[in-house]
Amino acid sequence: DTEVTQTPKHLVMGMTNKKSLKCEQHMGHRAMYWYKQKAKKPPELMFVYSYEKLSINESVPSRFSPECPNSSLLNLHLHALQPEDSALYLCASSQEGSGSTDTQYFGPGTRLTVL
Amino acid sequence: AQKVTQAQTEISVVEKEDVTLDCVYETRDTTYYLFWYKQPPSGELVFLIRRNSFDEQNEISGRYSWNFQKSTSSFNFTITASQVVDSAVYFCALSAITSGTYKYIFGTGTRLKVLA
Repeated sequence: DTEVTQTPKHLVMGMTNKKSLKCEQHMGHRAMYWYKQKAKKPPELMFVYSYEKLSINESVPSRFSPECPNSSLLNLHLHALQPEDSALYLCASSQEGSGSTDTQYFGPGTRLTVL
Repeated sequence: AQKVTQAQTEISVVEKEDVTLDCVYETRDTTYYLFWYKQPPSGELVFLIRRNSFDEQNEISGRYSWNFQKSTSSFNFTITASQVVDSAVYFCALSAITSGTYKYIFGTGTRLKVLA
């Protein structure tokens, strides 16, 4: 089973709202990732968690705040977003911790619209 | 620096035609991994294949086949007898660890449209 789940599937929020994206995997994977994908563009890496610790932050603005409560769960807290943050947010996981070149398995994504 | 180039932005074929998606990569690392992912309109990236830099053996999986040539830094993907369900965006990706820094780089993707 290579399933990564993400909720919600769609989210519309105002610039003053606070919301969270959730990602879950039950494959025993040690690394989890957040990507941002704009229309007709490839995914861009945002954060990597390895063994529940943040290991990579690709200079993401502080209005995006990741959290890894346990090895199966990854959250992305959103606050004071801008309309240009509207995108598909993808979560992924891989067997090994970060710093590995292991295969990443992706969830279906959350389509975020910021008004 | 590492780079993945998918020069074909969009390809349209008629069902049952064969189609090849090109991927050219650049890296100075001797150890690296190459991937192909499929992204249907639903948005989920579906893993198709992973190949390491020391394994140049071509692979076939059903209607899919991959041709890895280190001499030309290419990792091309062929779909035989294409079907409408193959319509999607296909991404080639490169992963390597350079000077202790992990990189996972996607190409810009090729949109494949298979017409009935």
